[in-house]
Amino acid sequence: AQSVTQLDSHVSVSEGTPVLLRCNYSSSYSPSLFWYVQHPNKGLQLLLKYTSAATLVKGINGFEAEFKKSETSFHLTKPSAHMSDAAEYFCVVSERGGGNKLTFGTGTQLKVEL
Amino acid sequence: DVKVTQSSRYLVKRTGEKVFLECVQDMDHENMFWYRQDPGLGLRLIYFSYDVKMKEKGDIPEGYSVSREKKERFSLILESASTNQTSMYLCASSLAGGPNTGELFFGEGSRLTVL
Repeated sequence: AQSVTQLDSHVSVSEGTPVLLRCNYSSSYSPSLFWYVQHPNKGLQLLLKYTSAATLVKGINGFEAEFKKSETSFHLTKPSAHMSDAAEYFCVVSERGGGNKLTFGTGTQLKVEL
Repeated sequence: DVKVTQSSRYLVKRTGEKVFLECVQDMDHENMFWYRQDPGLGLRLIYFSYDVKMKEKGDIPEGYSVSREKKERFSLILESASTNQTSMYLCASSLAGGPNTGELFFGEGSRLTVL
């Protein structure tokens, strides 16, 4: 069985400071991992994905995430937050060989302050 | 630009009414999905379809049914709406190969309130 835990339901940062959104996963198979972003009143959009290639994955809008198997983590980072980054972020796991099922985390609301 | 369109952004229905939520995608994707999004619970899969006229139950199918008569259209049906079905409903599509291909394309959601 697979699961994903987003360790913070809310994160608040100042504009220009680093962003860290934490995600831990559990998977019986080799996982694929994703981060999606949802801006207010919008659908979800893919930020980046890990599918067993490079462990450091770069995504859109300056975000990146590192797959750490030993820590079962896939934390999302950005060096410098922008006001437009304020949104809800979802960590998602999919098990290869697990029937193509996606499991979503409960989301982290990112607030960016001036 | 790729697009998943949900025909109704906001609906208000009464308990016991039949509700149809429509979703259309213009990307010729084989896979389509219906999720429910509730605060603190993330997204939960209701039903999905890998092909026309095919459907499979997700994690929370009770109280819902779906229809996929054409490749581009996937409908979610609440036969008899109840107040605990008040939620945001998100439709998504993806290429064949399942979600492991990496990207689901989402509509903007349909917010349903059942009184």
